[in-house]
Amino acid sequence: GQQVMQIPQYQHVQEGEDFTTYCNSSTTLSNIQWYKQRPGGHPVFLIQLVKSGEVKKQKRLTFQFGEAKKNSSLHITATQTTDVGTYFCAGPTSNDYKLSFGAGTTVTVRA
Amino acid sequence: DGGITQSPKYLFRKEGQNVTLSCEQNLNHDAMYWYRQDPGQGLRLIYYSQIVNDFQKGDIAEGYSVSREKKESFPLTVTSAQKNPTAFYLCASSIGVEVTSEQFFGPGTRLTVL
Repeated sequence: GQQVMQIPQYQHVQEGEDFTTYCNSSTTLSNIQWYKQRPGGHPVFLIQLVKSGEVKKQKRLTFQFGEAKKNSSLHITATQTTDVGTYFCAGPTSNDYKLSFGAGTTVTVRA
Repeated sequence: DGGITQSPKYLFRKEGQNVTLSCEQNLNHDAMYWYRQDPGQGLRLIYYSQIVNDFQKGDIAEGYSVSREKKESFPLTVTSAQKNPTAFYLCASSIGVEVTSEQFFGPGTRLTVL
């Protein structure tokens, strides 16, 4: 079945540095969603990408959907302590109305 | 305030006991979902419901049961048949049955089976 893979699983970042996390699907996705879960919290929706090659920005966060709609990335510039948490990507399965979540990238920040 | 509530936040049960986790939403959403989260893993879908009185199994439904008698409520029962029930359980809802709808999550219930 359709699977969504995320790399890296863990990202340790120096405050102020940039980093990128990647999401790859075994099949073409109609759309991809990104969520953030703070430590001890619950996932919160960040953004949805629908179009091939789409790029969306939210302040220091840049989201991109690949041309083939099989991969996506989240790039964070000038990392801050508020960026700590786990970032999940999720894509719809091919046959029914449910999302397949990646395992997440857990981000820690060194001050 | 609109949102999703889950209770309790922490729950302890003895092995062999059934336990029911509550999930209520006042967002007027049609679709509701139950996920299980284990350390180092993503969210795995247990059950989902697109409309009242209807629900479907997700990827890991064995040992769980649900009901959807009201639009606002989607309780999850963890039965004694679930071999490894200790986990963080998240309930979510979305406005409609379209997969493109963003999902809104509750605060979760952390279940520990002793």
